[in-house]
Amino acid sequence: KQEVTQIPAALSVPEGENLVLNCSFTDSAIYNLQWFRQDPGKGLTSLLLIQSSQREQTSGRLNASLDKSSGRSTLYIAASQPGDSATYLCAVNWAGNTPLVFGKGTRLSVIA
Amino acid sequence: EAGVTQSPTHLIKTRGQQATLRCSPISGHTSVYWYQQALGLGLQFLLWYDEGEERNRGNFPPRFSGRQFPNYSSELNVNALELEDSALYLCAGTSQGGRIINTEAFFGQGTRLTVV
Repeated sequence: KQEVTQIPAALSVPEGENLVLNCSFTDSAIYNLQWFRQDPGKGLTSLLLIQSSQREQTSGRLNASLDKSSGRSTLYIAASQPGDSATYLCAVNWAGNTPLVFGKGTRLSVIA
Repeated sequence: EAGVTQSPTHLIKTRGQQATLRCSPISGHTSVYWYQQALGLGLQFLLWYDEGEERNRGNFPPRFSGRQFPNYSSELNVNALELEDSALYLCAGTSQGGRIINTEAFFGQGTRLTVV
């Protein structure tokens, strides 16, 4: 079964700290992996998309890496800010007629 | 460019009624996905439409149905509403239709359905 797991479920850090969110997935035959941000009660905002042929993608203070062979991706957030507080979701697109499969997310709190 | 739009933003229905939720993807996106996010739970896949056809459905009863229109907008219908159908319903659009597969999914802001 194709599953996505995110650890930790929740994380609280002081402002300014660099942090790493983890995502693991079964079955390394992925097409791409996408990281999203979700604010409470809101929709999902796409942060980064990593194609299966790529090892990392960067956008501003965010850097996402992909290691297909080990079934892992990490989202690195540099110099965290209170505005980064949200739930971060990892989603994997596998081959065939399959939809994005989501992890349960990591709820991040950045304390000023 | 307009993002993915969903309507209504909030919907309150009585148990046993029917609900209709709507989604318009970004221009050029032909695939629409529907997800359910119940309180405290992760995103559960409901339905996938591409080029007007249902491509896949998740593990939900048949009272969850939908369709996609020629302009690629989509409708999700939930019949015989139950209390546990209360959730945030999200739709996403992509160009993923079996031909172009490495594309980014864009989500709308969701419809909050409350069944009382």
